[in-house]
Amino acid sequence: NAGVTQTPKFRVLKTGQSMTLLCAQDMNHEYMYWYRQDPGMGLRLIHYSVGEGTTAKGEVPDGYNVSRLKKQNFLLGLESAAPSQTSVYFCASSPQRLAGGYNEQFFGPGTRLTVL
Amino acid sequence: AQSVTQLGSHVSVSEGALVLLRCNYSSSVPPYLFWYVQYPNQGLQLLLKYTSAATLVKGINGFEAEFKKSETSFHLTKPSAHMSDAAEYFCAVSRIASFGNEKLTFGTGTRLTIIP
Repeated sequence: NAGVTQTPKFRVLKTGQSMTLLCAQDMNHEYMYWYRQDPGMGLRLIHYSVGEGTTAKGEVPDGYNVSRLKKQNFLLGLESAAPSQTSVYFCASSPQRLAGGYNEQFFGPGTRLTVL
Repeated sequence: AQSVTQLGSHVSVSEGALVLLRCNYSSSVPPYLFWYVQYPNQGLQLLLKYTSAATLVKGINGFEAEFKKSETSFHLTKPSAHMSDAAEYFCAVSRIASFGNEKLTFGTGTRLTIIP
């Protein structure tokens, strides 16, 4: 059981280039999330998905797109990278929430992206 | 809107001393509160959570936190620090989104350093 995995671990882009970050989970979780982590700002939610084919905007969605074509995968795309997108990106997943309950989010190891 | 404030971006304690990391929350409804730990170059791991049951919550690695509604606080403590506790700690509050999933709002983090 690998849990949540992220590809790649590191990447350096030039301004204007595009790339896709891949998140995969093998826990059959319904919900998946993309966060970015910046010094002194904690983690901020970019986009999330509550199921295959469904995505929604989070706190800081501008400049990013996502897709959830398969339940186990959640892709984060940068169409035209900017230096302000230099950050560490974390993916997380959690099971479907039962009424009155709470489910823990499980995090991947992160992708460190630098945009020059 | 819900938010959390972590007082002190850096905390240093001697090995064997008490660890106290502060978190205050703002929420218009009874909150779900969490502490996550991030070890260097890793993703986040859940330490403990408060979901309106007991106000004193015990977590992994000897950590505990007490929910105090009158003080809107959820401070994290450990009686005796170990070198292995050196990490960054995040307080978070959860709310239920329109899709029924949980959305976490994180504090800015506290980096804990242990002095030998």
